[in-house]
Amino acid sequence: NAGVMQNPRHLVRRRGQEARLRCSPMKGHSHVYWYRQLPEEGLKFMVYLQKENIIDESGMPKERFSAEFPKEGPSILRIQQVVRGDSAAYFCASSPQGNYGYTFGSGTRLTVV
Amino acid sequence: GENVEQHPSTLSVQEGDSAVIKCTYSDSASNYFPWYKQELGKGPQLIIDIRSNVGEKKDQRIAVTLNKTAKHFSLHITETQPEDSAVYFCAAVMEYGNKLVFGAGTILRVKS
Repeated sequence: NAGVMQNPRHLVRRRGQEARLRCSPMKGHSHVYWYRQLPEEGLKFMVYLQKENIIDESGMPKERFSAEFPKEGPSILRIQQVVRGDSAAYFCASSPQGNYGYTFGSGTRLTVV
Repeated sequence: GENVEQHPSTLSVQEGDSAVIKCTYSDSASNYFPWYKQELGKGPQLIIDIRSNVGEKKDQRIAVTLNKTAKHFSLHITETQPEDSAVYFCAAVMEYGNKLVFGAGTILRVKS
C-alpha cells in the first residue's frame, strides 16, 4: 500500500518558468491538501481539493498559483512565472474523509534560480 | 480562523529524560489533534493523534493529553533517545474545516 507519492523530489526552475508539482494520494483517499514550507518554518496551508473540486483555496496566492485534482490522475500544483520567493518545500497530504488520518508525502523541493 | 500556538520553539534534553511540547488552539470547534515528526529532508510523519472525546492517549514512549476546557494539548516523550531528535509539529482541525492548521514547530535535540 504505497503512501502519498510526490514528484519530482527536487525541481529547479529559472525565474519566469513554470513549475508543475504532482501528487498521487494514498489508495482510497479522495481528499488532497497542499502545504508550503519555507526554510526553517512551519507548514502553511495552501489548498484543499476533492476529485474535480476545489474546496478551500484560502491559502493560495491570488496570482500565478493554481491547483487541480482531475477525475483521473494525480493532483497538480502549478506555479506560473516563478520568482525566487517561490523557493520552498511543497508537501501534499491526503486523507480518507477530510477530518482525520492525514498522510503526507515526501515533498517537492523547488529551487528558483 | 483557527490559530495554533506551539511552545517551546527549541528544546534540548539529555538522553533518557522526558520532553514535553505544548500547544494551544483558538477554535473551540476543533476536534482532532495530530502530532507530526519531521526529520531533515523528509515529509511530516504522524506519530500520535487524539480526538476531542478523549483526554489522553499513549503509544509506548509517546503520550498526548488534551484539555478541551483550556484549549490546549501536549506531547510527552519519555526515555528520550538520540533518534527522537527532529522537528515536532502539533496541529488542529475543525470538525467542518477540513484542513490541518499547524503550530510553528519545536526543534527537539536529544543529547547523548
